[in-house]
Amino acid sequence: GAGVSQSPSNKVTEKGKDVELRCDPISGHTALYWYRQSLGQGLEFLIYFQGNSAPDKSGLPSDRFSAERTGGSVSTLTIQRTQQEDSAVYLCASSSGLAGSTDTQYFGPGTRLTVL
Amino acid sequence: AQSVTQLGSHVSVSEGALVLLRCNYSSSVPPYLFWYVQYPNQGLQLLLKYTSAATLVKGINGFEAEFKKSETSFHLTKPSAHMSDAAEYFCAVSVWGKLQFGAGTQVVVTP
Repeated sequence: GAGVSQSPSNKVTEKGKDVELRCDPISGHTALYWYRQSLGQGLEFLIYFQGNSAPDKSGLPSDRFSAERTGGSVSTLTIQRTQQEDSAVYLCASSSGLAGSTDTQYFGPGTRLTVL
Repeated sequence: AQSVTQLGSHVSVSEGALVLLRCNYSSSVPPYLFWYVQYPNQGLQLLLKYTSAATLVKGINGFEAEFKKSETSFHLTKPSAHMSDAAEYFCAVSVWGKLQFGAGTQVVVTP
């Protein structure tokens, strides 16, 4: 079946602009995660959605970052007033939500964001 | 707090030789541990995971890992390296469902 998809695959923006990154999880998966991969910080957790529960936003680095998940499926990560340090690969993952901490997370190919 | 540490940011192995990637964990409770692989310009793919059912875990592509509580380790091995194993490998621990990753180990396979 189809895996996790993300769009766009690449995004180049100017400092100060807002960007939206999209994630389509595997159909039927109730859990959705966003991670960031950068040279300086490695792989970092950003935010986690599980079903209809309030999202876990504990990894968001600043209030310029926000995310929503509509209809329990597609998710959008929004970065406002982008800064050069936001340049990174943003990875989305989904899981069935059935096995809690032992769930396998399936990753999308990522969106490479470059802030000029 | 739970965390993982990967020893060695780069590993070079000859084709056909043993692959050994080291991961140590820090946790006050039994951890759930994962190994993921990332090929260039791709997302992460699960190799295997430890969920306390068995200490020796077999994964895809001939990889396996052994959970050793006494050594707080979860090292990844493959008996014979193949050129296609060249990639970056990440050890991770699940913290309330969120993955916390090690810094990664880049594997280079030489003919």
